[in-house]
Amino acid sequence: NAGVTQTPKFQVLKTGQSMTLQCAQDMNHNSMYWYRQDPGMGLRLIYYSASEGTTDKGEVPNGYNVSRLNKREFSLRLESAAPSQTSVYFCASLGPPDEQFFGPGTRLTVL
Amino acid sequence: GENVEQHPSTLSVQEGDSAVIKCTYSDSASNYFPWYKQELGKRPQLIIDIRSNVGEKKDQRIAVTLNKTAKHFSLHITETQPEDSAVYFCAASKGGYKLSFGAGTTVTVRA
Repeated sequence: NAGVTQTPKFQVLKTGQSMTLQCAQDMNHNSMYWYRQDPGMGLRLIYYSASEGTTDKGEVPNGYNVSRLNKREFSLRLESAAPSQTSVYFCASLGPPDEQFFGPGTRLTVL
Repeated sequence: GENVEQHPSTLSVQEGDSAVIKCTYSDSASNYFPWYKQELGKRPQLIIDIRSNVGEKKDQRIAVTLNKTAKHFSLHITETQPEDSAVYFCAASKGGYKLSFGAGTTVTVRA
């Protein structure tokens, strides 16, 4: 039981490049989330998916897109990366009764 | 939306002393208040949570209190140990589905 997994662990992009962050969970959870973590700002919700086939914007969605590929996988795409998107990105899934389980994170640097 | 404020941003305590972190929330409809601990370079992990129908909850050396009238809740760590050094995040939500996090408190336990 791997829990929540994320790839890659580290990534360096140049401004304007695109990339997709992958997330998968093997706990059969319905809801999944993408957060970004910046110093002094806590965890901010980018997008979430209540169930397979649905996605909704969170607090800071601009510059990102998501895909809920199936119940296990929830990906985050940066179409044209900007330095302001330099951050640590965490994926999470919601287990019963209300605990969010986090992945190990992806540290992204945009030059 | 929900706004969660967390204080202090940093806290240094002598080993064996107590640590208290306070959070306030804005949405009176919020009914679920978890606390997450994040060690350096690791993922956030749930350490304790409280729901709005309970005023206090304890788990060994940690406890959380909730004042619904004042819309604030606190984390108390007693007999602090070096392994308590970490960043602690409070959060609030309606039912645990979409969490709004505080900015975090960096706790350092001095030997």
